[in-house]
Amino acid sequence: SQQGEEDPQALSIQEGENATMNCSYKTSINNLQWYRQNSGRGLVHLILIRSNEREKHSGRLRVTLDTSKKSSSLLITASRAADTASYFCATVPNAGNMLTFGGGTRLMVKP
Amino acid sequence: NAGVTQTPKFRVLKTGQSMTLLCAQDMNHEYMYWYRQDPGMGLRLIHYSVGEGTTAKGEVPDGYNVSRLKKQNFLLGLESAAPSQTSVYFCASERLRGDNEQFFGPGTRLTVL
Repeated sequence: SQQGEEDPQALSIQEGENATMNCSYKTSINNLQWYRQNSGRGLVHLILIRSNEREKHSGRLRVTLDTSKKSSSLLITASRAADTASYFCATVPNAGNMLTFGGGTRLMVKP
Repeated sequence: NAGVTQTPKFRVLKTGQSMTLLCAQDMNHEYMYWYRQDPGMGLRLIHYSVGEGTTAKGEVPDGYNVSRLKKQNFLLGLESAAPSQTSVYFCASERLRGDNEQFFGPGTRLTVL
């Protein structure tokens, strides 16, 4: 069963625009992580945000976490064609330690 | 450092055949995982290992077996392949369970005819 659900499932934007992806989850979490997957490749870790954190930045990435709404968002600013990939949120629940992935958002950035 | 490597990259099997997928990591990580990814879906955990000589079932373990004889290697076996096991298989390793990033291999694309 999927703990996290991303929204939208697919997103197409122009280079230079911002991209926002959302993730909702069902149970209380220890932390939430975002991963990127380029076509035909393995997943690459982007950022981890803990349950007691509300916002985190890494370069052009900004992640927010709202534990009251059980949701997170990933913002990619000034997108580039190289950002084209699928983005997955993954949660580690308080009960248990297994990382559970959502279905992903497919982002296409047009040059 | 090579990180996490997987062999083979591609494989086609006939129903009923067996095979073993090999995962190796050179980061001295204790925890290792096998996932499968089906089209348009996220990853689902098959089996995992919290250390050399230990394995445990994940979300979708049926039809698979695993072994962790050496800390750096995690093997995934299919004893009698079925078309439902057509998928892309990813191995991952992690330093601290649940609290750190997981490092993924490039994947093995398996087709069962």
